[in-house]
Amino acid sequence: AQKITQTQPGMFVQEKEAVTLDCTYDTSDPSYGLFWYKQPSSGEMIFLIYQGSYDQQNATEGRYSLNFQKARKSANLVISASQLGDSAMYFCAMSSFSGGYNKLIFGAGTRLAVHP
Amino acid sequence: GAGVSQSPSNKVTEKGKDVELRCDPISGHTALYWYRQSLGQGLEFLIYFQGNSAPDKSGLPSDRFSAERTGGSVSTLTIQRTQQEDSAVYLCASSPHGQGSYNEQFFGPGTRLTVL
Repeated sequence: AQKITQTQPGMFVQEKEAVTLDCTYDTSDPSYGLFWYKQPSSGEMIFLIYQGSYDQQNATEGRYSLNFQKARKSANLVISASQLGDSAMYFCAMSSFSGGYNKLIFGAGTRLAVHP
Repeated sequence: GAGVSQSPSNKVTEKGKDVELRCDPISGHTALYWYRQSLGQGLEFLIYFQGNSAPDKSGLPSDRFSAERTGGSVSTLTIQRTQQEDSAVYLCASSPHGQGSYNEQFFGPGTRLTVL
């Protein structure tokens, strides 16, 4: 069975500092994707970054980067130069492609608070 | 509109009543997903549509839950004889197609259901 584990219920960081949000996963599928979503207090789910299981390079999107360690089954999100607007819930999710279609399995989330 | 829309945004109902939640996906998106987010939790997959058919209903928690999609577009999630544990935010997402590799899912704003 597929599973996503986020062990940090809450994190805080000083503005302009970098922060790492942890995510580990478990799957027996050879082909899968890893996603990070941001959910502000308004409730919408905002896609941040994607990493495919066969991608050789770690994904980056602006201030977001994904530290993908396949052997350790981890996909940590790194946010550089934190901003006050980064305060939100962050969800790690996995999609398996071997079933012929996508569905996302989500972790429990990490609440990030950015302090001025 | 350009994004996924859901209605109503909020629904308060009494235990035992039936409710219908509506999702309008992005035009042209063939894949549609329903997820449920209980308070303080991650998202839980409910059902996946490809066109009008639902190849994966494995996440529906009981036979009180059903969903349909007509015309390859609008979807309705119906909960019969609502219970207090059904209280949650119900999120809909769509993607251009459901199969194969990376396929970003675009989420709607959700319907917050409260069962008294």
